[in-house]
Amino acid sequence: QVQLVQSGAEVKKPGASVKVSCKASGYTFSSYDINWVRQAPGQGLEWMGWMIPNSGNTGFAQKFQGRVTITRNTSTSTAYMELSSLTSEDTAVYYCARMNYDSSAAGNWFDPWGQGTLVTVSS
Amino acid sequence: QSVLTQPPSASGTPGQRVTISCSGSSSNIGSHYVYWYQQLPGTAPKLLIYRNYQRPSGVPDRFSGSKSGTSASLAISGLRSEDEADYYCAAWDDSLSGSWVFGGGTKLTVL
Repeated sequence: QVQLVQSGAEVKKPGASVKVSCKASGYTFSSYDINWVRQAPGQGLEWMGWMIPNSGNTGFAQKFQGRVTITRNTSTSTAYMELSSLTSEDTAVYYCARMNYDSSAAGNWFDPWGQGTLVTVSS
Repeated sequence: QSVLTQPPSASGTPGQRVTISCSGSSSNIGSHYVYWYQQLPGTAPKLLIYRNYQRPSGVPDRFSGSKSGTSASLAISGLRSEDEADYYCAAWDDSLSGSWVFGGGTKLTVL
């Protein structure tokens, strides 16, 4: 079955960087974009950016421009999200999600989602 | 402050019908599809409705979506205890170079 499995929880100090991985299985990795969405404790969902695995091209929410990098390793079907210059406000669960579509090519949606990776930023 | 506006909470008793609204603007809901995600406590979000009203396989027909102008709604009929969760609407937004935007989420309580 289609599955995204993320790396484990991280604790980082302010100013550091964190890199979260997302390993895909059950489908052709290069055929679907990967997105990253985060959720601060007790808060809603916030889209961060996406990557086209085929080309490596990326796009980001304006808020994260210059601070987030999304890369991939096609040989292992794994996507990576790196966030730099961490502050306490970056404490959140980070999700990867596949951008799904169907044959009509009308619209696309997040499905499935990874299980989430808790990143805690604390001195 | 989320770009899409949802009520923070909703509630109903088993068997009732509840509706959750999602309000946006011409740059998001007004020109793009709306999607709904269900997040059960302690789990990742799950797709509930896509392209305004379509249900993925496995989602009961008790869940239905609709869209009119710059607003959308999620209706849950025959409410069950396992429906207690957070519900989020989402849409693509053409402003700020384009981005996905979400509602702030609605916590549904089954009384």
